[in-house]
Amino acid sequence: AQKITQTQPGMFVQEKEAVTLDCTYDTSDPSYGLFWYKQPSSGEMIFLIYQGSYDQQNATEGRYSLNFQKARKSANLVISASQLGDSAMYFCAMREGRPGRRALTFGSGTRLQVQP
Amino acid sequence: DAGVTQSPTHLIKTRGQQVTLRCSPKSGHDTVSWYQQALGQGPQFIFQYYEEEERQRGNFPDRFSGHQFPNYSSELNVNALLLGDSALYLCASSLGGLSSGANVLTFGAGSRLTVL
Repeated sequence: AQKITQTQPGMFVQEKEAVTLDCTYDTSDPSYGLFWYKQPSSGEMIFLIYQGSYDQQNATEGRYSLNFQKARKSANLVISASQLGDSAMYFCAMREGRPGRRALTFGSGTRLQVQP
Repeated sequence: DAGVTQSPTHLIKTRGQQVTLRCSPKSGHDTVSWYQQALGQGPQFIFQYYEEEERQRGNFPDRFSGHQFPNYSSELNVNALLLGDSALYLCASSLGGLSSGANVLTFGAGSRLTVL
């Protein structure tokens, strides 16, 4: 079974509008972390936001927020007030187990295109 | 403060050849991980190094090997190249050993390998 599922291969959004990118995950470990990364055409993965499994509140970082629904095993990324520079690939990733030197499992990504 | 630097940025090899990719981690980071990202897919974990030893390994054959040097820099070696090894190879560094928090990976821009 896929550990990280991103069901939206591509999304379009108008500039200044909000957009939600979906991510569902599968793990039996009670301790885990969820990450979102942005990958522009240059190739570098840019960290956006993190949510720990025991965090009580949804994570927020500027225009990025993570809609964490633990029972549904979803961790959707919400980008508010989209900008042209937000056009990129977006990847959801999971770390299973407690923080430390652990590998990330990535989803297949969503390509976001922001239209003027 | 320099982030993760990788070299070369692009290279072309033929089947059966060997390749070495290099990575310098972000200043202050002691752990280096390598990921393979095939076209249109999310990154897949190859292996992780710290204290100059391979600590974790993903589902990759022994043709993939690595090394970490005393200054924390790292190399990824791939022997007997196959067409399917064509991908973007991403290096990520982190400060390992953290028992809480995100322990965020910082990625380089990658080395794009084409195997003909």
